[in-house]
Amino acid sequence: SAVISQKPSRDICQRGTSLTIQCQVDSQVTMMFWYRQQPGQSLTLIATANQGSEATYESGFVIDKFPISRPNLTFSTLTVSNMSPEDSSIYLCSAQTGEGYEQYFGPGTRLTVT
Amino acid sequence: AQSVTQLDSHVSVSEGTPVLLRCNYSSSYSPSLFWYVQHPNKGLQLLLKYTSAATLVKGINGFEAEFKKSETSFHLTKPSAHMSDAAEYFCVVSNFGNEKLTFGTGTRLTIIP
Repeated sequence: SAVISQKPSRDICQRGTSLTIQCQVDSQVTMMFWYRQQPGQSLTLIATANQGSEATYESGFVIDKFPISRPNLTFSTLTVSNMSPEDSSIYLCSAQTGEGYEQYFGPGTRLTVT
Repeated sequence: AQSVTQLDSHVSVSEGTPVLLRCNYSSSYSPSLFWYVQHPNKGLQLLLKYTSAATLVKGINGFEAEFKKSETSFHLTKPSAHMSDAAEYFCVVSNFGNEKLTFGTGTRLTIIP
């Protein structure tokens, strides 16, 4: 398994600004992912954070809006750029350890855009 | 392509009675299936997983699920509900060899005292 922490846990931001969310895993992991959970809804995969190369984005998500970095096997960041109220969501990162296909999730970052 | 359908958006049971949360899946290949639980204002916790071994899978907190290929189902059960089981439950599928998870829409479990 893996223990994952995220910073910040929550934030309130003004429209047009950007927020960077950090995700730290307590061990080296093969895969890291970023998800969005809109209020009262399920999780939607934003992208796979690839170590040493560009992230792989899902349909409907683009790098200019959600740039992702993964400088090593334990850390990743997600930036939400040029925010609008529609970006108000919980953003979660996850890690896959390679032992199976299960993922372990961080506690999430609750973002409110005003 | 892969998908899951959680048949009930909300389930209410009395404390001490059985819990049944229903999930059907669609997968082009041999699927891996998971149940995750999300307590209010908390992160997601893995309850159990099926990865082509035993079809009856036991998880944490007394939950179990049975993989039925003929019915494409992976229902979650617990013999006796506890107040602490009140949460949102997600059924999740992944195709063999594909790291991506596809989440169901969730089932909110309410426990009546």
